[in-house]
Amino acid sequence: SQQGEEDPQALSIQEGENATMNCSYKTSINNLQWYRQNSGRGLVHLILIRSNEREKHSGRLRVTLDTSKKSSSLLITASRAADTASYFCATANTGGFKTIFGAGTRLFVKA
Amino acid sequence: DGGITQSPKYLFRKEGQNVTLSCEQNLNHDAMYWYRQDPGQGLRLIYYSQIVNDFQKGDIAEGYSVSREKKESFPLTVTSAQKNPTAFYLCASKDRVTYEQYFGPGTRLTVT
Repeated sequence: SQQGEEDPQALSIQEGENATMNCSYKTSINNLQWYRQNSGRGLVHLILIRSNEREKHSGRLRVTLDTSKKSSSLLITASRAADTASYFCATANTGGFKTIFGAGTRLFVKA
Repeated sequence: DGGITQSPKYLFRKEGQNVTLSCEQNLNHDAMYWYRQDPGQGLRLIYYSQIVNDFQKGDIAEGYSVSREKKESFPLTVTSAQKNPTAFYLCASKDRVTYEQYFGPGTRLTVT
């Protein structure tokens, strides 16, 4: 089964609202990453948070990591229609070579 | 123009035929990966390679084969043994310092 599981599976919001997606994982990790995928395209890396970090920001993105609960959240503030995409969390084990992706959250931002 | 290229974008094959998907990178990354994505699903790891002339099976390697003769290239062959080959295939390479994976645009394979 997948290491990371995103919640919710789908999210529909109005432009300007904030979008929050959650990710849970099962085993110890070295880092957790979030990726974005536009329909029919490859994935694009958004942000990485290491296991010893609790929060990280990048532009309108805020990621938190709670290793005690084995969970992470991605917050997109002031969403735009162009943010419509699927968002995946990915975890790398201690060795770091094998990255496991979750099933993704499909975000739809209405203009 | 650096990055990962996959070709072709769309591929159609008859059942029983082997088909090879191309993946090339000029990012000088040692690690490369092949994933399969089914509609509305996440990515599942097929094979990965940490270095030239070395590769390991991922979670769904049955019916697939790879080679890594050059650092830049990591082709994937979908064999006739793969029971349900129709899917979207994504290739990626990884930066060993940042752990970031760089993805190609994908190849959509349809087998009828």
